[in-house]
Amino acid sequence: GAGVSQSPRYKVTKRGQDVALRCDPISGHVSLYWYRQALGQGPEFLTYFNYEAQQDKSGLPNDRFSAERPEGSISTLTIQRTEQRDSAMYRCASSLSQGGDYGYTFGSGTRLTVV
Amino acid sequence: GDSVTQMEGPVTLSEEAFLTINCTYTATGYPSLFWYVQYPGEGLQLLLKATKADDKGSNKGFEATYRKETTSFHLEKGSVQVSDSAVYFCALCVRGSYIPTFGRGTSLIVHP
Repeated sequence: GAGVSQSPRYKVTKRGQDVALRCDPISGHVSLYWYRQALGQGPEFLTYFNYEAQQDKSGLPNDRFSAERPEGSISTLTIQRTEQRDSAMYRCASSLSQGGDYGYTFGSGTRLTVV
Repeated sequence: GDSVTQMEGPVTLSEEAFLTINCTYTATGYPSLFWYVQYPGEGLQLLLKATKADDKGSNKGFEATYRKETTSFHLEKGSVQVSDSAVYFCALCVRGSYIPTFGRGTSLIVHP
């Protein structure tokens, strides 16, 4: 597509429910990143993929968070047993190459609210 | 570890004023440096970048020079417009790391 597409745009869920956030990167972009952004803060790294391989997941807060990119394109970030502290904007970014010298293109994000 | 420090916002200016947003960094290796801009309701967009010392990145009237001696990458624009109102993020990516580190962002508000 023309840009990085994320869905849903907004998600309200009850505490304890599982949620799946989707990212569709720019066609041909090999690297895909997930970030979490709190209000008034910069993006905080969660995990990234090069093609379908998850290269680094050191930023995932705990084992309730997981991500996959099975065919090297669309990625899903899953949060199990959501808690109120998981409420944030979740952003996906893609890059033409690993290393990001081309810069990153970000999606508009998914605003997750856990009530 | 790697970190980016930006000046606190909001920065409030009148149209056609000169803009400087300070950014300093700490890096474990040799970084590439970036400025991103986020308009309301949108994702971050790459504004400009510099990949080695003394390089100047420029785009849409904005400039930033990679200063290794002062570990800085300050963003400047000679004459801001109302349409420049946004949040600006400084970022770095160390060679071989592949994981960019972002600053907290600086909000710019330009009044007519």
